[in-house]
Amino acid sequence: AQKVTQAQTEISVVEKEDVTLDCVYETRDTTYYLFWYKQPPSGELVFLIRRNSFDEQNEISGRYSWNFQKSTSSFNFTITASQVVDSAVYFCALVMPYTGKLIFGQGTTLQVKP
Amino acid sequence: DTEVTQTPKHLVMGMTNKKSLKCEQHMGHRAMYWYKQKAKKPPELMFVYSYEKLSINESVPSRFSPECPNSSLLNLHLHALQPEDSALYLCASSRSEKMNTEAFFGQGTRLTVV
Repeated sequence: AQKVTQAQTEISVVEKEDVTLDCVYETRDTTYYLFWYKQPPSGELVFLIRRNSFDEQNEISGRYSWNFQKSTSSFNFTITASQVVDSAVYFCALVMPYTGKLIFGQGTTLQVKP
Repeated sequence: DTEVTQTPKHLVMGMTNKKSLKCEQHMGHRAMYWYKQKAKKPPELMFVYSYEKLSINESVPSRFSPECPNSSLLNLHLHALQPEDSALYLCASSRSEKMNTEAFFGQGTRLTVV
């Protein structure tokens, strides 16, 4: 069975602080794909990153970075120097292979205060 | 253009009404999806269309009827809904469900059943 766990329900930080959102996944597949999405209050899910199980290289995109560790089945997301515009719900997800079905974690609500 | 357009953005309907939600994408994607999202919960898959054919139905009640008239359009016909069907309905598309690529989401339709 596939499962994604985001243990942090809500996180509140002050602007310019760094924040890490945790994601732990379970799957029996040897090839799998993980995603992070951002959902602002407007409702749209915004794609942030896709990572496959063969690529453990960490990725940085501006203030965003991702740490993928197969040994601990984790795919954590760090925002450096957070901004108020980062306030949103963040979802980590696993796709069921060849179906397109996304299995989402419960989401982490991030509030960045000025 | 990575846009998925959903209409209407908001919909209020009575339990005896018939209404339709519409979704459009022009990215040449061949997989399209309907997800349902209740407040403070992650999205849950309802239907997957692959090359205009229904490939996954997640045991959705028949009062929800999907339709894919062509590769760019996806509709969700609603009839005799219940108040518990009130939710955000999200449409998404991806290149192909077989490729495990990222899905792009629309802003959703916020449905209220009265």
